[in-house]
Amino acid sequence: AQKVTQAQTEISVVEKEDVTLDCVYETRDTTYYLFWYKQPPSGELVFLIRRNSFDEQNEISGRYSWNFQKSTSSFNFTITASQVVDSAVYFCALSEEQETSGSRLTFGEGTQLTVNP
Amino acid sequence: NAGVTQTPKFQVLKTGQSMTLQCAQDMNHEYMSWYRQDPGMGLRLIHYSVGAGITDQGEVPNGYNVSRSTTEDFPLRLLSAAPSQTSVYFCASRVSGGPVLAQFFGPGTRLTVL
Repeated sequence: AQKVTQAQTEISVVEKEDVTLDCVYETRDTTYYLFWYKQPPSGELVFLIRRNSFDEQNEISGRYSWNFQKSTSSFNFTITASQVVDSAVYFCALSEEQETSGSRLTFGEGTQLTVNP
Repeated sequence: NAGVTQTPKFQVLKTGQSMTLQCAQDMNHEYMSWYRQDPGMGLRLIHYSVGAGITDQGEVPNGYNVSRSTTEDFPLRLLSAAPSQTSVYFCASRVSGGPVLAQFFGPGTRLTVL
């Protein structure tokens, strides 16, 4: 069975601080996919990034960066120079390869990030 | 493209009532799914479909029914609403086949069962 753990329930930072959101996962598959989604106060779910298990390169997109480490089963998300608009709930999710299982997304519990001015 | 649309946005039901949450997508995605979001629990999969005429259960299917008669639509039926079904419901879709790609979510339906 697959599992995603986001141990940080809530994080509060002051604008311009860097912040890292932790994500630890469990799976028995060798092929799997990891995702991050953002849920702003308006409630919709916004896709941020997808990473497959064979690609351990870190990725940077503007102020966002992701650190994937298979050795520790972690897929952490860092926001550099945080802004008030980054305030949201962030979800990490895992999907196994098999289409027959529905390739279901297993979500973590989410981390509420609050960026204060 | 409108993407994934859901109606209604809000709904209040009494215990025992039935209703259908509508979901539609215009991206020709084969894979569609329903999740519910409860505080502190992330999102959990209710039912999913890999194409018209094919549906299967997810993690929390009890009390819900689905059907998929067209590629575009994937309605979720609550057979006899219970307070435990108070939640926010999200529909999602993605391309099927090949590597698993990101799912795209609708805006959600906030359901309260009294």
